[in-house]
Formats: sequence, C-alpha cells, structure tokens
Amino acid sequence: EAQVTQNPRYLITVTGKKLTVTCSQNMNHEYMSWYRQDPGLGLRQIYYSMNVEVTDKGDVPEGYKVSRKEKRNFPLILESPSPNQTSLYFCASSLSPQGGSEQYFGPGTRLTVT
Amino acid sequence: DAKTTQPNSMESNEEEPVHLPCNHSTISGTDYIHWYRQLPSQGPEYVIHGLTSNVNNRMASLAIAEDRKSSTLILHRATLRDAAVYYCILRDWGGAQKLVFGQGTRLTINP
Repeated sequence: EAQVTQNPRYLITVTGKKLTVTCSQNMNHEYMSWYRQDPGLGLRQIYYSMNVEVTDKGDVPEGYKVSRKEKRNFPLILESPSPNQTSLYFCASSLSPQGGSEQYFGPGTRLTVT
Repeated sequence: DAKTTQPNSMESNEEEPVHLPCNHSTISGTDYIHWYRQLPSQGPEYVIHGLTSNVNNRMASLAIAEDRKSSTLILHRATLRDAAVYYCILRDWGGAQKLVFGQGTRLTINP
C-alpha cells in the first residue's frame, strides 16, 4: 500500500532532550516536506526536500533540522526541544515539486514538550 | 503566494450534493487549484486539482470559473464520512515548494 509513515505517533518529552521524528514513504517520491499544525495558525511548512541531499527552509524552520540521505526517508530533528515546539507534525511527499503534483500526508505526530 | 478565501463553515445533509466555494482573485496563469481535506485526527488528504478545465475524480468534481478567479468543489452525494475541513490551495506550476493552507471550510454533514 502506498503510504507515508511517521514515528512515533505520540511523544511527550522534556525541554532540551534531543529527539527525532522519522518519516518514510514507499512511493519513490522526490519531494518531501514537514509541516506543523497549531490551533488558529493552520498548517505551516518547516522544511522541504526536492531530492536526496537537497533540503531547504520553509516558513518556520527555527529549532528544527532535517536530513535526506535516502530518497524514502526524511527525519525531523529537534536538537533542543522547547515548549513552543509542542504541536502536531505532518510529513508529506509528492512525486515532484511541480504544481500539478498532489501531496500525500502521513498520519501525524503529536509532540508535547514540557 | 496568491491567497484564497473560503467560508469558515458550511452545513449540509447526508446524501445531498455539497458545493464548497473558493475565491482566488489574485490567481496567476500558472497556478494550479488544489483541494485537500482533513478529517478529524488525521493528516490532510488530497481531493482534486485542476488548472483551467473542470475536473472529475472518484471523490469529487472541481468546477473552475472561466476567469479562474473562483472555483467550487462539488461533493455529489455527501456522506457522514465527508465531514472535514476542506482547504482550497493555489500551487504554482513551476514548483511552489509548499502548500499554503488557509483556515479552510469546516463541513458538517447532518444525518
């Protein structure tokens, strides 16, 4: 089944403790991205990747890192999480970055930083 | 990014058609019109997209105005499972690398 998977689905952590949220797609998609969703602010892009070893900042990259060493994986790294990074995170992928290409989203990771 | 305007909420009855409007008066010639929806506790889900012509797929139809300044997502026969937030999004052909989600329309389906 074609899908985007994220792990973990739920995570409660403490300020400053490094964490990684994994994202994997099995559709051989070139383009992947991370979004966060907050009440009243909607979905905002954190980082995106056009292909392996090509990443760039989205609208809200501060406090996050990403890597794209393999086509299928695009982990989101929080080196020193803070409470304002408490949010619902979605990974997405699409065949290409072009405007006519639909994005497929993962099920989400709910992160709480205390 | 060109902006879209949608009603905050709409309500319809089960098994009736639903027409969800979207205004995008500043759309450029290379912008695709995408619709996504987000069911409760799930990630956004692609519904349909188009450029100039009306489009149909198994989920919905997309009617695009001749001047492309507005569009309508049509659910032909709503079910309770169609209750969700629907987002109308513009995406540049050349590769707007992100989807800019507005507040969307919260659709309620009454049994």
